[in-house]
Amino acid sequence: DIQLTQSPSFLSASVGDRVTITCRASQGISSYLAWYQQKPGKAPKLLIYAASTLQSGVPSRFSGSGSGTEFTLTISSLQPEDFATYYCQQLNSYPRSTFGGGTKVEIK
Amino acid sequence: QVQLQESGPGLVKPSETLSLTCAVSGYSISSGYYWGWIRQPPGKGLEWIGSIYHSGSTYYNPSLKSRVTISVDTSKNQFSLKLSSVTAADTAVYYCATQAASGIDYWGQGTLVTVSS
Repeated sequence: DIQLTQSPSFLSASVGDRVTITCRASQGISSYLAWYQQKPGKAPKLLIYAASTLQSGVPSRFSGSGSGTEFTLTISSLQPEDFATYYCQQLNSYPRSTFGGGTKVEIK
Repeated sequence: QVQLQESGPGLVKPSETLSLTCAVSGYSISSGYYWGWIRQPPGKGLEWIGSIYHSGSTYYNPSLKSRVTISVDTSKNQFSLKLSSVTAADTAVYYCATQAASGIDYWGQGTLVTVSS
């Protein structure tokens, strides 16, 4: 099974900060990685797929990069509505899948 | 616009079988997508449970495989989850979702299932 490790698991940041979240895969997954944002009591929302492609309607301050085993999600200028938990998901073994453990972004 | 709605009991007794159904509207299950189940224990992360194609082909999380059955009913445009021999560790919000190779773009609202006597 492919394991995904996200870091950090928690981060505290201010509005306007640049934020980077890392997702590491236990084996190479090419670019088969997606990122989600989840707010309390809501289903996750797809932000980025294929490691770096922005889902329609997602603000351009979100970006993704990486391939193989290391991936990053960057928020260029954190906005109040971005405080949430972020998950990565590998799709290299589609339709099988696994999620990372999540990164909670809170207000400093 | 694809819409998904989970339904089923919110309370299940330990050792019994959890059963949920996901009704799909705005899209025919037979038209494509894998259809999946994901769960999230309270305060914890997401766990992929498994997925099914309209043909009936299934894929399960190895850690749950012995207890999980996912089925599809194309005539009713819905798919279902059964999880047997449940324990308190199976208490979670259960989501149904579309599962494309690029990710999950449509989710149900989620339903909380509590395992308790």
